[in-house]
Amino acid sequence: GESVGLHLPTLSVQEGDNSIINCAYSNSASDYFIWYKQESGKGPQFIIDIRSNMDKRQGQRVTVLLNKTVKHLSLQIAATQPGDSAVYFCAVRPKAAGNKLTFGGGTRVLVKP
Amino acid sequence: EAQVTQNPRYLITVTGKKLTVTCSQNMNHEYMSWYRQDPGLGLRQIYYSMNVEVTDKGDVPEGYKVSRKEKRNFPLILESPSPNQTSLYFCASSLGTGRTGELFFGEGSRLTVL
Repeated sequence: GESVGLHLPTLSVQEGDNSIINCAYSNSASDYFIWYKQESGKGPQFIIDIRSNMDKRQGQRVTVLLNKTVKHLSLQIAATQPGDSAVYFCAVRPKAAGNKLTFGGGTRVLVKP
Repeated sequence: EAQVTQNPRYLITVTGKKLTVTCSQNMNHEYMSWYRQDPGLGLRQIYYSMNVEVTDKGDVPEGYKVSRKEKRNFPLILESPSPNQTSLYFCASSLGTGRTGELFFGEGSRLTVL
């Protein structure tokens, strides 16, 4: 099976600073990793994904890093803004799991003005 | 506007009273899925569907049923709800094979079973 954990339940960050959210996964056969953002009262929103044949992928102000050796995934948000305040989830898909995703418990990011 | 629509958004019901949460998407997505979200447990998949008439169990399917008679609709049925099904439910859809991780989520349906 797959279990997904997060290193911190809450991350407090100063506006303008960079945020780093971490995620650990257990199944070395996982081949697809996704980050979602969930604002209060809303459904999760896709941010960025990365496949196991990559170590790094960049989007707009976000970067996802994948370290398969230690089974670790991180999301970096550059110049964090108040609108980045939300809960962030990583999700992992084991290669043999078809289309099933396993979600982590979430990290709440609080942006201080 | 591309969206996933769930109804009802809020519901309080009693044990044993059958209910259906509807889900509809207007993006012609092949893949649809239901999740429940509980504090400290994250999102757990209940059922998913790769296409019309194709459904499969997720991680927590007990006590739930689904159907996929049309591509756009994927209702979640609780035949005999129990208090442990009190939760926040999300429907999601995606393009399908190779893109199933890029899920579009609905706004959620908060269900309370007394």
